[in-house]
Amino acid sequence: DTEVTQTPKHLVMGMTNKKSLKCEQHMGHRAMYWYKQKAKKPPELMFVYSYEKLSINESVPSRFSPECPNSSLLNLHLHALQPEDSALYLCASSQDTVSSYNEQFFGPGTRLTVL
Amino acid sequence: GENVEQHPSTLSVQEGDSAVIKCTYSDSASNYFPWYKQELGKGPQLIIDIRSNVGEKKDQRIAVTLNKTAKHFSLHITETQPEDSAVYFCAAIIFNTGNQFYFGTGTSLTVIP
Repeated sequence: DTEVTQTPKHLVMGMTNKKSLKCEQHMGHRAMYWYKQKAKKPPELMFVYSYEKLSINESVPSRFSPECPNSSLLNLHLHALQPEDSALYLCASSQDTVSSYNEQFFGPGTRLTVL
Repeated sequence: GENVEQHPSTLSVQEGDSAVIKCTYSDSASNYFPWYKQELGKGPQLIIDIRSNVGEKKDQRIAVTLNKTAKHFSLHITETQPEDSAVYFCAAIIFNTGNQFYFGTGTSLTVIP
């Protein structure tokens, strides 16, 4: 199974809502990533988890709160978002963060719209 | 940090022709260079990659070349087909620094039937 799954596929939320994005992989990977992608732009790294510990936070606003409950799951909790946060949110996983052959497998993404 | 430039931003080719996309990087410590294909509404999918100790790699109609001295690498797609139409991203990675991917700005490839 070389698949990263993400739910939901689409999410529309108001600025006062609280919602969560979910990501799952069963490849035994110990590194998981959240990216934000705007239209016609490359993915921008938000967070990296290595062995269930947050290892990189790319100065992301606190209205985005990541969580890694176990090695297969990654969540992104959303609260008080702004319309400019509307984007495609991608999850990815890799074997770890230091191996020399470390393909990142991407999920299909969650299309988020903030009204 | 690493800076990856990608050209062209858009590319249209006739079906059956070849397509070439080029990327340059700034940090000579980068040692892994994947290429991702992203179709509309989907996440990026790895199509080919190359490590810094290899100059060229080929997989059927797709090939990647790496020039470490000049710090550039290129994606070559031969005998293009309409299903090759997508956005292509290159990336450069320095291992042992958290596996952080530095993506190029993307190339939107259209293959005209």
